[in-house]
Amino acid sequence: GAVVSQHPSRVICKSGTSVKIECRSLDFQATTMFWYRQFPKQSLMLMATSNEGSKATYEQGVEKDKFLINHASLTLSTLTVTSAHPEDSSFYICSALRITDTQYFGPGTRLTVL
Amino acid sequence: DAKTTQPNSMESNEEEPVHLPCNHSTISGTDYIHWYRQLPSQGPEYVIHGLTSNVNNRMASLAIAEDRKSSTLILHRATLRDAAVYYCILGYNQGGKLIFGQGTELSVKP
Repeated sequence: GAVVSQHPSRVICKSGTSVKIECRSLDFQATTMFWYRQFPKQSLMLMATSNEGSKATYEQGVEKDKFLINHASLTLSTLTVTSAHPEDSSFYICSALRITDTQYFGPGTRLTVL
Repeated sequence: DAKTTQPNSMESNEEEPVHLPCNHSTISGTDYIHWYRQLPSQGPEYVIHGLTSNVNNRMASLAIAEDRKSSTLILHRATLRDAAVYYCILGYNQGGKLIFGQGTELSVKP
C-alpha cells in the first residue's frame, strides 16, 4: 500500500506556456499533500503544502501566482507552472500524507522548458 | 525547523551491515525521526520512522539514542540496490512538513 503516482513523468514545453502536473494517492486518502522541487545534484526543496478544500501554504520565496496548487479531492493535487521559463526546469516531486503514518512520495516529474 | 547532521558519504561492502548515523541535537519532544532514500531521477522512498523507541521493519532498523539527540539507520545486509542517498529528517508529529538536508550518499561495493 501507500502508492503515489505523478503524471506526466516527463514534459517538455516552450517558454511562456503553462504546465500542469498531477499527483494522486492511489490506495489511500490524503487530506495533505506536499510539493517539492529538486535541481541537479541538490536536495529536495519544499515548495508548498496542499490541503484538500483549502488554499495551499507556500514556503518563503515560492511565488504562489507562478506555482498554482489545487487539491480538489482527497486523492488528487495538481501543480500548475504558469508562464514557464527555462529557470523553472527542474524535477518536481509530490508527496501524500497518510494519516497516523507518514509521507509517501511520487516518482517525480521532469520539466524541461525550452 | 530542527536540523539534522549526516555524513556526506559512506561506503559499504555488499552483504555487510551498514550503520548510517544522524545527529539531531535540537530535536523537540514532538519531532518524529524519518528516514527516506532516493535513487537518481526517482522520488524518495520511505524507509522507516520513529519517535522514541527503536523500530524495525522489513527494510531496516532504526536505533534512537535515549536522549533522542542522535539516531542510526541500520541496513542489516547491504545489497547493490541499497546504493542511494539516505535522508534523515525531523518532522513535527507524524504529519508535519519534512525539510530535507543533504543526506548521506551510500555506495555499496560488490
